[in-house]
Amino acid sequence: EAQVTQNPRYLITVTGKKLTVTCSQNMNHEYMSWYRQDPGLGLRQIYYSMNVEVTDKGDVPEGYKVSRKEKRNFPLILESPSPNQTSLYFCASSGQESSYEQYFGPGTRLTVT
Amino acid sequence: GENVEQHPSTLSVQEGDSAVIKCTYSDSASNYFPWYKQELGKRPQLIIDIRSNVGEKKDQRIAVTLNKTAKHFSLHITETQPEDSAVYFCAASRWDSNYQLIWGAGTKLIIKP
Repeated sequence: EAQVTQNPRYLITVTGKKLTVTCSQNMNHEYMSWYRQDPGLGLRQIYYSMNVEVTDKGDVPEGYKVSRKEKRNFPLILESPSPNQTSLYFCASSGQESSYEQYFGPGTRLTVT
Repeated sequence: GENVEQHPSTLSVQEGDSAVIKCTYSDSASNYFPWYKQELGKRPQLIIDIRSNVGEKKDQRIAVTLNKTAKHFSLHITETQPEDSAVYFCAASRWDSNYQLIWGAGTKLIIKP
């Protein structure tokens, strides 16, 4: 089954404790992206990647890091989480095979206390 | 850069009536316009899309229209049903950035019984 997976789905952590949210897709998509969604603010892009070893900042990259060492994986790293990073995070992927439709993961709800 | 504005932010319609959500974009080079639906607690999913060489596209009760001259596109939902209640996002993408979507802020559609 074609899908985007994210782990964990829910995470409660404390300020300053490094964490990683994993994202994996099995559709051989070139493009992957991370969004955060906050009430009333829609989908805001954090980082995206057009292909392996190519990453670019989105609209709200501060406080986040990403890497794209393999085509299927695009982890989101919060080196020192802060309460303002409490949000719902979505990973998405897209490619020529999907005619550029973005497939979203199930979301990760992160709470930083 | 591209900017996508979406209106209204909230739309309440009686069940069975039609709903229209409008988006405007700024970059005349944009050529791909998808609409995503996000039900409560779920991930966004593509419901319909249109490319700039087409003026209108229909899929059962939903349709999208595009006016390239005015740089706006609209989502039309006819005979609305309770399951249409959701947040709808429009987006735009240009020909040389097929994977990168610029998102509207979203419209919360409420179907009143």
